[in-house]
Amino acid sequence: DAKTTQPTSMDCAEGRAANLPCNHSTISGNEYVYWYRQIHSQGPQYIIHGLKNNETNEMASLIITEDRKSSTLILPHATLRDTAVYYCIVRGDSGTYKYIFGTGTRLKVLA
Amino acid sequence: EAGVAQSPRYKIIEKRQSVAFWCNPISGHATLYWYQQILGQGPKLLIQFQNNGVVDDSQLPKDRFSAERLKGVDSTLKIQPAKLEDSAVYLCASSLELTSREQYFGPGTRLTVT
Repeated sequence: DAKTTQPTSMDCAEGRAANLPCNHSTISGNEYVYWYRQIHSQGPQYIIHGLKNNETNEMASLIITEDRKSSTLILPHATLRDTAVYYCIVRGDSGTYKYIFGTGTRLKVLA
Repeated sequence: EAGVAQSPRYKIIEKRQSVAFWCNPISGHATLYWYQQILGQGPKLLIQFQNNGVVDDSQLPKDRFSAERLKGVDSTLKIQPAKLEDSAVYLCASSLELTSREQYFGPGTRLTVT
């Protein structure tokens, strides 16, 4: 089973920041938080990952709470093309290194 | 850089028939994954290869599903015989190494079993 819980769906106005929350209260010390998104009829696409520090790349920012039990993915200026299902995944740095996807958050960016 | 290629993109078969899917990973990627994604759910890992060896196939229904990765490059996933509940999108992904942070996904094959 997935180790994360996410809201089923969210709406965001175009041009505004989209903040997608994720709870991972049972995360272990060596487990990273990963975010992927899946645009309709495409395979998932990697966005960002982090361990305990906040991370930023050209696509998004990842804010992880100090206790690491939750995180937020931030899309700073959402566009219509950001409409997708966003998956938050917790993965350790040992064993098979596999991802276990949950059902994700369906983000709809509104014009 | 070419992405992960999959074929066919769509397939419709009747139950009890067999079907095969093909995947060509990104050149140089040692790790290859097959996922099953049922409508409304996240992808579920079926099997994971490191070169031509199996790393994890714990979720693969071995009575009807089989997969191989000959020569550690291309891979095929077969279902024989298919059931109605096998209707799903089958996604192939690859990564540079087993420990790589990022997996690259193909577009998937949409299977409909009638």
